[in-house]
Amino acid sequence: QVQLVESGGGVVQPGRSLRLSCAVSGFTFRSYAMHWVRQAPGKGLEWVAVISYDGSNKNHADPVKGRFTISRDNSKNTLYLEMNSLRTEDTAVYYCARDRHTPPDGVMDVWGKGTTVTVSS
Amino acid sequence: SYVLTQPPSVSVAPGKTARITCGGNNVGSKSVHWYQQKPGQAPVLVIYHDSDRASGIPERFSGSNSGNTATLTISRVEAGDEADYSCQVWDGSSDHRVFGTGTKVTVL
Repeated sequence: QVQLVESGGGVVQPGRSLRLSCAVSGFTFRSYAMHWVRQAPGKGLEWVAVISYDGSNKNHADPVKGRFTISRDNSKNTLYLEMNSLRTEDTAVYYCARDRHTPPDGVMDVWGKGTTVTVSS
Repeated sequence: SYVLTQPPSVSVAPGKTARITCGGNNVGSKSVHWYQQKPGQAPVLVIYHDSDRASGIPERFSGSNSGNTATLTISRVEAGDEADYSCQVWDGSSDHRVFGTGTKVTVL
């Protein structure tokens, strides 16, 4: 069945880096745009970034622009989020999600269970 | 940047109707999607493109969108509907996706 599994979360000091991964199975990964969405403790959902099906187009939310980079390896069915210069306000559960339609229509129809990132000294 | 505003909480008795609003500037011109999230779980798509039900979602869930307000309606509310609900749009001007502030639905 369709499955998204995030990994790579952990506890990291402010200013350090972390790379999250999202392993995909059960559908043709290379055909779909993908998103990262995060949720700080006790807060709502916050969209982080999107990447097109072939990796040629990317867009990042303003709070992470210039620090985070979304990427993908279609040969490995894996989505990534490279996070640099981490701040305490980046502490959150990070979810990967599939865009429902090709071409993308902005609907996130499949989600992973999330991986927790804690930024603390 | 585009902002979507939701009431923090909505309380409803079992069997009654819950209405969750999502306010945004001319949101009626955008396509609104709704997600349900239960504690400790990932979000689940409930409604997309204003009023289309996602796969496996009961007919009790419906959506509408006009003017400056989109609405998710849950009819004949059940205890299992207790969750956080978030609206979401694609802001074309920034090419960003935007989530609402979220609403906690409590079944009395």
